[in-house]
Amino acid sequence: GQSLEQPSEVTAVEGAIVQINCTYQTSGFYGLSWYQQHDGGAPTFLSYNGLDGLEETGRFSSFLSRSDSYGYLLLQELQMKDSASYFCAVDDYKLSFGAGTTVTVRA
Amino acid sequence: GAGVSQSPSNKVTEKGKDVELRCDPISGHTALYWYRQSLGQGLEFLIYFQGNSAPDKSGLPSDRFSAERTGGSVSTLTIQRTQQEDSAVYLCASSPLVTSGEETQYFGPGTRLLVL
Repeated sequence: GQSLEQPSEVTAVEGAIVQINCTYQTSGFYGLSWYQQHDGGAPTFLSYNGLDGLEETGRFSSFLSRSDSYGYLLLQELQMKDSASYFCAVDDYKLSFGAGTTVTVRA
Repeated sequence: GAGVSQSPSNKVTEKGKDVELRCDPISGHTALYWYRQSLGQGLEFLIYFQGNSAPDKSGLPSDRFSAERTGGSVSTLTIQRTQQEDSAVYLCASSPLVTSGEETQYFGPGTRLLVL
């Protein structure tokens, strides 16, 4: 089975940088995905790491270390619209999600 | 074409009744997934369809849950004899092809099920 851990909530001010850590234990692994979900909305794909290292997509970056079973999502230049839940998910053709991190951005 | 669609968007039912939830994946996507999300929780995998292969039902919580996918497109998730603990948002997702696991999953808006 799969087990993922991430912080339950993070609060930061506009313009700040937030790092959401994710540790996992898994029996099958292709990569680590990150999804964003606004209140009442559908999860939307943010980033995927299949190999160790950093992936950068605009203000968002994601990192993976397979040897440490660890990854993180980095949100830079935070904006109010970034207030949402962020889920890490182990990808072994189906997604096994963590419980999510609620990010609250304050003015 | 358009994104993943699901119907109904909301469903209120009485305990013990059966419900059917529908998912229309993105045209051409061969993989289809069902997940369940309880309030304030992460998503729980239920079932996965890939082309004509036998579905992976390993996430279904009980034999009251079943799903089918007709013609490799539309899927229906059926919950028989609903219980209050079945109340959740049921999300469907599709992806183009499952090879190395890199395929992004595209989620529908979900069906919010409330069992009274």
